[in-house]
Amino acid sequence: AQSVTQLGSHVSVSEGALVLLRCNYSSSVPPYLFWYVQYPNQGLQLLLKYTSAATLVKGINGFEAEFKKSETSFHLTKPSAHMSDAAEYFCAVKRANAGGTSYGKLTFGQGTILTVHP
Amino acid sequence: DGGITQSPKYLFRKEGQNVTLSCEQNLNHDAMYWYRQDPGQGLRLIYYSQIVNDFQKGDIAEGYSVSREKKESFPLTVTSAQKNPTAFYLCASSMSGGAFYEQYFGPGTRLTVT
Repeated sequence: AQSVTQLGSHVSVSEGALVLLRCNYSSSVPPYLFWYVQYPNQGLQLLLKYTSAATLVKGINGFEAEFKKSETSFHLTKPSAHMSDAAEYFCAVKRANAGGTSYGKLTFGQGTILTVHP
Repeated sequence: DGGITQSPKYLFRKEGQNVTLSCEQNLNHDAMYWYRQDPGQGLRLIYYSQIVNDFQKGDIAEGYSVSREKKESFPLTVTSAQKNPTAFYLCASSMSGGAFYEQYFGPGTRLTVT
């Protein structure tokens, strides 16, 4: 079974400061990892994903994440926060089934609410 | 534009009534999913379908039912047997044939049962 832990249910930063949202996963086999963003009362939008290619993944809106197998982590970062980044962020893991095909269940962390202060 | 639509955005029902949430996609995706979102709990999988006329239970299927008669549509019925139906419900879809495909989400339906 796989699981995801997002450290910190709330993170607050100043505009222009570094954004760091932490995600640790547990998986018995190599995982696929995803970060999604959700604005209030809306659906989720994919920010980026790791699918066993480059360990440093760049996404939309200036976000990036680094897959660190030794630390079982996939932390999300952005060098300079904007007011528009205020939202809830979800890390999710999917087990790559044998052969890399067929359905892989997507397991979500509990979410981190990012607040950006002027 | 391709995407996923969910209707209505807000839904109010009395306790004891069944209610059906709509989900339609025009992305030509084979796989579709229903999630329930509660504050501080992330998203939990209710049902999923990888192909028309086939679906499987997720982690919290009790009190819910689905159908998949068309590729584009995956309606969710919240039955009176669901003990705590008030939540935000999200529908998603994805390509099938590889676990690396991401899921695309609809805008959600907020259900309130009183």
